[in-house]
Amino acid sequence: EAGVAQSPRYKIIEKRQSVAFWCNPISGHATLYWYQQILGQGPKLLIQFQNNGVVDDSQLPKDRFSAERLKGVDSTLKIQPAKLEDSAVYLCASSLGGTVMNTEAFFGQGTRLTVV
Amino acid sequence: GDSVTQMEGPVTLSEEAFLTINCTYTATGYPSLFWYVQYPGEGLQLLLKATKADDKGSNKGFEATYRKETTSFHLEKGSVQVSDSAVYFCALYNNNDMRFGAGTRLTVKP
Repeated sequence: EAGVAQSPRYKIIEKRQSVAFWCNPISGHATLYWYQQILGQGPKLLIQFQNNGVVDDSQLPKDRFSAERLKGVDSTLKIQPAKLEDSAVYLCASSLGGTVMNTEAFFGQGTRLTVV
Repeated sequence: GDSVTQMEGPVTLSEEAFLTINCTYTATGYPSLFWYVQYPGEGLQLLLKATKADDKGSNKGFEATYRKETTSFHLEKGSVQVSDSAVYFCALYNNNDMRFGAGTRLTVKP
């Protein structure tokens, strides 16, 4: 079974530039998560989708971050404009969703963003 | 809101030593609890989980018991190996929200 795919693996941009990350979840997984993991910290949830609807985006800095999952499958996360403090690994995860027993989340390898 | 607190690292052990990484949580209701592991250069992988009080999750020699009375989910392994060197994250899932601890880096020396 293919895992969660993310691209690119690495990205270096200058501050105030824009950047986009792509995620393809495991086939059949209804729930998709984007996390931000700053060096030395645990992952912090940015946004959670159930199919193509947003379940939780309370920690998403909406003035610069946006995410979409138009057809309930792939998702993109965009930052515009980037700040130095956005340097982090951006993790995508997916799960079957629904009942408590199906909440295991499978993670992609992440995109490491460096803002200079 | 819900939160997870892990013992701070880094933790350095010799091969075959006993490992405990403490994890406590704060949550309303009945969360599911997880340990994830991140090996160098790789993504997060689920190590074990427990979905209700007194459940014991186990995998690859690691164990953790869901203790509601102490709101804890401590990770243990009786004899660690060099290949266990990684960062370990405790996490909870509750009300459609998954929260992670800060992670504990484990280094096992031969």
